[in-house]
Amino acid sequence: EVQLLESGGGLVQPGGSLRLSCAASGFFFSNYAMSWVRQAPGKGLEWVSSINGDTINTYYADSVKGRFTISRDNSKNTLYLQMNSLSAEDTAIYYCAKDQSGYSFGYFDYWGQGTLVTVSS
Amino acid sequence: ETTLAQSPAFMSATPGDKVTISCKASQDIDDDVNWYQQKPGEAPIFIIQEATTLVPGIPPRFSGSGYGTDFTLTINDIESEDAAYYFCLQHDNFPLTFGGGTKVEIK
Repeated sequence: EVQLLESGGGLVQPGGSLRLSCAASGFFFSNYAMSWVRQAPGKGLEWVSSINGDTINTYYADSVKGRFTISRDNSKNTLYLQMNSLSAEDTAIYYCAKDQSGYSFGYFDYWGQGTLVTVSS
Repeated sequence: ETTLAQSPAFMSATPGDKVTISCKASQDIDDDVNWYQQKPGEAPIFIIQEATTLVPGIPPRFSGSGYGTDFTLTINDIESEDAAYYFCLQHDNFPLTFGGGTKVEIK
């Protein structure tokens, strides 16, 4: 059974940093692209970042480019999102999502339950 | 960046109705649209891929159509369990973008 378990969310002050983790199980992790998608309270979905299976390629939304870094450790079956220079606009539930293949993006066949990031003083 | 205009933002339906949701892209994106369903407090579920292909395990009352810039999600004989938000997503180019969402209420 595929499982994605996010952690690392919480309350952080503006300008601060957080690192989110997504522990994956139930599939051969390195074979699949992974992504982060966020949802601000009461709002729609926003794609944040993606990384392919072999970590060669990463992609970012303009709203986070230069501040967020996606990475993965295939030996630990874990996806990460390092978030720096956080602002109130980054307040959201952050979902980890698995893609259907190593190089396809946007075919999110499994999602975690999300971790809430709140940026506030 | 490809923007997706989704409409309506809200709709109310009676069980058994046929419901259609529109998703219009700002440029030609072939059939590179996927659809997701999200119930309150839950993670999204993948329901339609490449505009028209039903994801395995999704009931056949759900269907998708369209190509290029105009896409439609249709729910035939809608059931109470279909009350949810629905989002289209384009994966033709980066940044990936979602439509604004449609809230479907069942009376």
